[in-house]
Amino acid sequence: DTEVTQTPKHLVMGMTNKKSLKCEQHMGHRAMYWYKQKAKKPPELMFVYSYEKLSINESVPSRFSPECPNSSLLNLHLHALQPEDSALYLCASSQALGEGGNEQYFGPGTRLTVT
Amino acid sequence: GQQVMQIPQYQHVQEGEDFTTYCNSSTTLSNIQWYKQRPGGHPVFLIQLVKSGEVKKQKRLTFQFGEAKKNSSLHITATQTTDVGTYFCAGYKSGYSTLTFGKGTMLLVSP
Repeated sequence: DTEVTQTPKHLVMGMTNKKSLKCEQHMGHRAMYWYKQKAKKPPELMFVYSYEKLSINESVPSRFSPECPNSSLLNLHLHALQPEDSALYLCASSQALGEGGNEQYFGPGTRLTVT
Repeated sequence: GQQVMQIPQYQHVQEGEDFTTYCNSSTTLSNIQWYKQRPGGHPVFLIQLVKSGEVKKQKRLTFQFGEAKKNSSLHITATQTTDVGTYFCAGYKSGYSTLTFGKGTMLLVSP
């Protein structure tokens, strides 16, 4: 199984709402990533988990809160978002973190609209 | 900051024409990966290049990694409409544990 799944596919939320994005992989990968992608732009790294511990936070605002409950799951909790946070949120996983040539498997993404 | 430049931003070709996208880094890369993202889709890994001067082929796609490990290219021979999408290069810079993506090249193929 080389699939990364994400739910929901689409999400519309108001600026005062709290919602969560979910990501799951069963490839035994120990590194998991959250990316944000705006239209016609490359994926922009937000967070990286390695062995279920937060390894990298790319100075993401605190209204985004990641969580890794176990080695297969990754969540992104959203609270008090702004309209400019509307984007495609991609989850990815790789065997491990590092420059040792770990290809990343991306999920289909959650298309988020903040109203 | 870390930057991987990619050109062109956009290319529109007729089916059957060739296509090339180029990737350039100001610093040495330990390896480079290529991803394809179809319209409305997500990035899908195509290939990884590790060695200086490496050339790899996948059917009509040819990938090259420069001798200095600072640049790379993807060449598609005789494009087909199924090649439509955005092609991203992404490199690991030495000492960094995360990928740096190029801005991508959007390819449109007309039948």
